Amino acid sequence: EAGVAQSPRYKIIEKRQSVAFWCNPISGHATLYWYQQILGQGPKLLIQFQNNGVVDDSQLPKDRFSAERLKGVDSTLKIQPAKLEDLAVYLCASNLAGVEQFFGPGTRLTVL
Amino acid sequence: DAKTTQPNSMESNEEEPVHLPCNHSTISGTDYIHWYRQLPSQGPEYVIHGLTSNVNNRMASLAIAEDRKSSTLILHRATLRDAAVYYCILRALGGSGGGADGLTFGKGTHLIIQP
Repeated sequence: EAGVAQSPRYKIIEKRQSVAFWCNPISGHATLYWYQQILGQGPKLLIQFQNNGVVDDSQLPKDRFSAERLKGVDSTLKIQPAKLEDLAVYLCASNLAGVEQFFGPGTRLTVL
Repeated sequence: DAKTTQPNSMESNEEEPVHLPCNHSTISGTDYIHWYRQLPSQGPEYVIHGLTSNVNNRMASLAIAEDRKSSTLILHRATLRDAAVYYCILRALGGSGGGADGLTFGKGTHLIIQP
């Protein structure tokens, strides 16, 4: 079974630029999560989707971050404009409605 | 979510058992104890979970204290590939309401395995 796919794996941008990350969850997984992991810390949930609807976006900085999952499969997370503090690994995870969340390898964002 | 406390780091020798502790004194009756681990440059991966009874799977064992205020993840025979950050997470049955069931990670325990 293929795992959660994310791209790109690495991205370098300058502050105030925009960036987008893509996630393809495991086939059939209705629930999709985006997490932000700052160096030295555990991942922090940004947003949770159930199919194409948002379940929880309470920790998403909505002034600059947005996410969508239009067809209930793939998802994109966008930062516009980026700040130096957005330097982090952005992780996507999916869940079939069981216990286990399956994580992708993440996208490492560097902001100069 | 209730908070967990773990040591920042632990060191063990290869092929020896490893006991990773976690304190969760404010755990509620419906909180499950989950363990995930994160290998270098990878996303976290599920290890094991339990509610009250001790649990075993192919990766590890989970020992839960009778009062449920602490638990221990046991790796029976550590290998170099077990070097990772291990996270102890409490997760309520059914999530936090409205279907929201994102995981709340702490800083975890950085496990170092010596050859």
